Amino acid sequence: KQEVTQIPAALSVPEGENLVLNCSFTDSAIYNLQWFRQDPGKGLTSLLLIQSSQREQTSGRLNASLDKSSGRSTLYIAASQPGDSATYLCAVTSTGANNLFFGTGTRLTVIP
Amino acid sequence: EAGVAQSPRYKIIEKRQSVAFWCNPISGHATLYWYQQILGQGPKLLIQFQNNGVVDDSQLPKDRFSAERLKGVDSTLKIQPAKLEDSAVYLCASRSQGATWRPHTDTQYFGPGTRLTVL
Repeated sequence: KQEVTQIPAALSVPEGENLVLNCSFTDSAIYNLQWFRQDPGKGLTSLLLIQSSQREQTSGRLNASLDKSSGRSTLYIAASQPGDSATYLCAVTSTGANNLFFGTGTRLTVIP
Repeated sequence: EAGVAQSPRYKIIEKRQSVAFWCNPISGHATLYWYQQILGQGPKLLIQFQNNGVVDDSQLPKDRFSAERLKGVDSTLKIQPAKLEDSAVYLCASRSQGATWRPHTDTQYFGPGTRLTVL
């Protein structure tokens, strides 16, 4: 059974700092890995999707990497802003399934 | 295009009462999911529909939870009777999955969720 772990559970950084969020998964047989953002009282928004054949994806100040063989992904946020404060969730779509397996999330606070 | 709609946004009930949640997916999306997210945890799949048929309900506590998707469009999730441990956010998501599913690139679109508090 796929298990997804995220470290750290919470992170607080001053504005402008670069930061890295980590995600690990136990079963490397995946179609893709996604990073989502969750704001209080709102649904999940997909930030980046990395296909199993890809190594990384970039969108603006966000860069996500995928090392499928080791079961790891990182989300790099450059020049953090207070508006980046949210919970970031990592999720994988396992081969043979078409639903998402989520990690427990990292709650990020960017201090002005 | 309009997003996934859910109602109500918040619900407070006492244990042993019944409650129902409603979801309207993005127009034309064939696949619909219900997830349960307990505070401090990631969402966990409860049930998945493809059109009006159930694809996966292995994680649904069937003694108290039920869900339906009549006509393959909107869906309702019901809890009867509710327990304290059912306090959570219930998220609905949809995905197009038309004639050809593209597992490497297709993503799910989530609604705002319903926050349930059971007292």
